[in-house]
Amino acid sequence: DQQVKQNSPSLSVQEGRISILNCDYTNSMFDYFLWYKKYPAEGPTFLISISSIKDKNEDGRFTVFLNKSAKHLSLHIVPSQPGDSAVYFCAASAHGGSQGNLIFGKGTKLSVKP
Amino acid sequence: DAGVTQSPTHLIKTRGQQVTLRCSPKSGHDTVSWYQQALGQGPQFIFQYYEEEERQRGNFPDRFSGHQFPNYSSELNVNALLLGDSALYLCASSSRGRTLRQPQHFGDGTRLSIL
Repeated sequence: DQQVKQNSPSLSVQEGRISILNCDYTNSMFDYFLWYKKYPAEGPTFLISISSIKDKNEDGRFTVFLNKSAKHLSLHIVPSQPGDSAVYFCAASAHGGSQGNLIFGKGTKLSVKP
Repeated sequence: DAGVTQSPTHLIKTRGQQVTLRCSPKSGHDTVSWYQQALGQGPQFIFQYYEEEERQRGNFPDRFSGHQFPNYSSELNVNALLLGDSALYLCASSSRGRTLRQPQHFGDGTRLSIL
């Protein structure tokens, strides 16, 4: 039973436009959510996170939105750049992040076309 | 400031053999977690070490074991290797002493292939 789901395996976006990546979760005990970016032959790189006490967190071109009632979060990238092309993983934790395990989705492959 | 480093980068073993993977955490971190990532899947949590003890374990058999050393580095051992153990093994580090709400930082992983 998947606790974190990324239902879109892939997404293609034109350079300069907005990329929206979605993630759904089932466990109401999750209190911290993260997005990681992964290039081939590299490990996941931390991108942005959000605590369950917030509904939005912004860092430059990246914004994460959390809708607790819908158990849904999304990552917005504006404007999208070709260098953003990578696999994006949504992850969740019931222990604040640093302790215990992160539960990952299967990832969404983003392609940003020039 | 060195990030999380893992060795080796690639490894080829045969069924039934044993393997040891190594990880050095990011400077200032004291907690190490290990994950297995199969092709087309997200990383799956194996276990976490803090103060040289296993603190939490995921749904992996006893063939998977680990160790943490006083300098916070860690090893992952897998015995009696199966074909299904072929995967990317990722190490992540964090600091338990700081605020709970902080990310784990990952190394580039060890690609393990079982023949």
